[in-house]
Amino acid sequence: NAGVTQTPEFQVLKTGQSMTLQCAQDMNHEYMSWYRQDPGMGLRLIHYSVGAGITDQGEVPNGYNVSRSTTEDFPLRLLSAAPSQTSVYFCASRGRANQPQHFGDGTRLSIL
Amino acid sequence: TQLLEQSPQFLSIQEGENLTVYCNSSSVFSSLQWYRQEPGEGPVLLVTVVTGGEVKKLKRLTFQFGDARKDSSLHITAAQPGDTGLYLCARRQGSQGNLIFGKGTKLSVKP
Repeated sequence: NAGVTQTPEFQVLKTGQSMTLQCAQDMNHEYMSWYRQDPGMGLRLIHYSVGAGITDQGEVPNGYNVSRSTTEDFPLRLLSAAPSQTSVYFCASRGRANQPQHFGDGTRLSIL
Repeated sequence: TQLLEQSPQFLSIQEGENLTVYCNSSSVFSSLQWYRQEPGEGPVLLVTVVTGGEVKKLKRLTFQFGDARKDSSLHITAAQPGDTGLYLCARRQGSQGNLIFGKGTKLSVKP
């Protein structure tokens, strides 16, 4: 079972570069979300989507864009990377609101 | 955002010891989830507690939801090295049920 798949696993960028973190799920989940995890800060919600064509901001959306053209995919875009965006990024999905959230294994992003 | 406070932040114990970690909030929440995250992986759901005073057991792990639904605890009996990881509590917030996480307790169990 694939579940939630994130690519790439690791990435190093230079300040100002752009990149897209990929996330795909094969569970037909309507809800998908992106979190960043920093030491001592826990997991913080960046953006989320409740279905194809619908996205909304979470707690820390600045510097990130998302789109949801299909149920399966929810990419996260960094338009102009900054060192403050160095973090581990997790994508997650779930079915109905009372169902458990399934996480990918993360993308470790370093911005120099 | 209604915060979840987890304590302790770090815990290092020997195999076979017992431990308790805590998750507290100043506000009432309808349910609480506990996740465990191992190095290099995403969090995995352990349990959801819903009813005030509820106790759930998962092998050597015992989860309790406070009577007032403002706090929760996780007790591990006879800890093993395989219990090592980051333990996170999370609550749902907003109409979409977004998960808000505490900062976690990092547990290290030494053989």
